[in-house]
Amino acid sequence: DTGVSQNPRHKITKRGQNVTFRCDPISEHNRLYWYRQTLGQGPEFLTYFQNEAQLEKSRLLSDRFSAERPKGSFSTLEIQRTEQGDSAMYLCASSGPTGWKDGYTFGSGTRLTVV
Amino acid sequence: DQQVKQNSPSLSVQEGRISILNCDYTNSMFDYFLWYKKYPAEGPTFLISISSIKDKNEDGRFTVFLNKSAKHLSLHIVPSQPGDSAVYFCAASPNTGNQFYFGTGTSLTVIP
Repeated sequence: DTGVSQNPRHKITKRGQNVTFRCDPISEHNRLYWYRQTLGQGPEFLTYFQNEAQLEKSRLLSDRFSAERPKGSFSTLEIQRTEQGDSAMYLCASSGPTGWKDGYTFGSGTRLTVV
Repeated sequence: DQQVKQNSPSLSVQEGRISILNCDYTNSMFDYFLWYKKYPAEGPTFLISISSIKDKNEDGRFTVFLNKSAKHLSLHIVPSQPGDSAVYFCAASPNTGNQFYFGTGTSLTVIP
């Protein structure tokens, strides 16, 4: 297993367009997380899946954002009608049931630039 | 509202000396704490964790200390190596880690 894979690595889009990011977690990890990181800040929690169920969503996740994890495998994060404030690094992470002490494994992220 | 704070944006240390990175938090409900290291263009990498029932955890050159009464934790790296140069984030969670709150990071430079 090569770790958590995120695609694309970079995405430049025009304001108002929709974008979709993909995350492939470590295969034996049943928990998957999306975080967002802006310049000079730490990662901020967006949402959490256990298998295919989305169990937690941050209030940062406006109705323009939607995340899915069909069949508990890969996950997608879609942003509709992008705004310049959506420009950030979007990080995906996965863990087993003891992620609180064993840590998450993060992907390298997708950098979104909205122009 | 920043619940986890790393007040030192940067730190420089000579190779072989001790690096001490500090983190403060405001939420008394936080029970689990992790440290991550991040190199440019990569995602954060897990380093070490501690739960609130302990005040110290060691893993090789890395030791994390937790002072719950002061709502403070620190990461000690001994001895520091040039490869330790990275941004270090502390993170805290009130439960079993479904949502971690991260600090803003401290950029460590280890000078050869």
